[in-house]
Amino acid sequence: AQSVAQPEDQVNVAEGNPLTVKCTYSVSGNPYLFWYVQYPNRGLQFLLKYITGDNLVKGSYGFEAEFNKSQTSFHLKKPSALVSDSALYFCAVSFYNNNDMRFGAGTRLTVKP
Amino acid sequence: DGGITQSPKYLFRKEGQNVTLSCEQNLNHDAMYWYRQDPGQGLRLIYYSQIVNDFQKGDIAEGYSVSREKKESFPLTVTSAQKNPTAFYLCASRGGTYYNEQFFGPGTRLTVL
Repeated sequence: AQSVAQPEDQVNVAEGNPLTVKCTYSVSGNPYLFWYVQYPNRGLQFLLKYITGDNLVKGSYGFEAEFNKSQTSFHLKKPSALVSDSALYFCAVSFYNNNDMRFGAGTRLTVKP
Repeated sequence: DGGITQSPKYLFRKEGQNVTLSCEQNLNHDAMYWYRQDPGQGLRLIYYSQIVNDFQKGDIAEGYSVSREKKESFPLTVTSAQKNPTAFYLCASRGGTYYNEQFFGPGTRLTVL
């Protein structure tokens, strides 16, 4: 069965420092991996996805993520965090010919000035 | 202005009442989804529909019902059989192939009094 895990409930970083939000997955076959962001009382916004090809994926708002097949990971990164990046981040996975998507439990990112 | 709308934003229900949450999209997407979000548990899939007049149960369908009579509409009814309905409900849609991202509505917060 496909699943995704976000090992950290909370990540705290200082503004201007690099940030990493971790995600690992378990799926048979080749996964399609996604990152979404959620601000309070709002729906999820799509950030980026990995389908195939280059392992480093660039997305919205300066975020990027690296697909690592050997470690079954898809960590979200940003070189320099902003206070406005503070939000709840979700990793999700789906795979070939599968209509549903599995979400992680979410990681709350707090960027302090 | 294309997107997904959900109404109402806030909904209060007395125990024993059925309530219906609205979800409308003008993105011409075939697939639509309903998720439930509880703190610390991420998103859990309630129902999804790949095409008009067809829908499938997700992981937590008990106590919920849906219909898909029109491509743009996918209403969710929370019945009195749902034992703990207080939650944030998110509707999403997806167009094209299975590795495309989902687009989310702003959500409905349901509270049982």
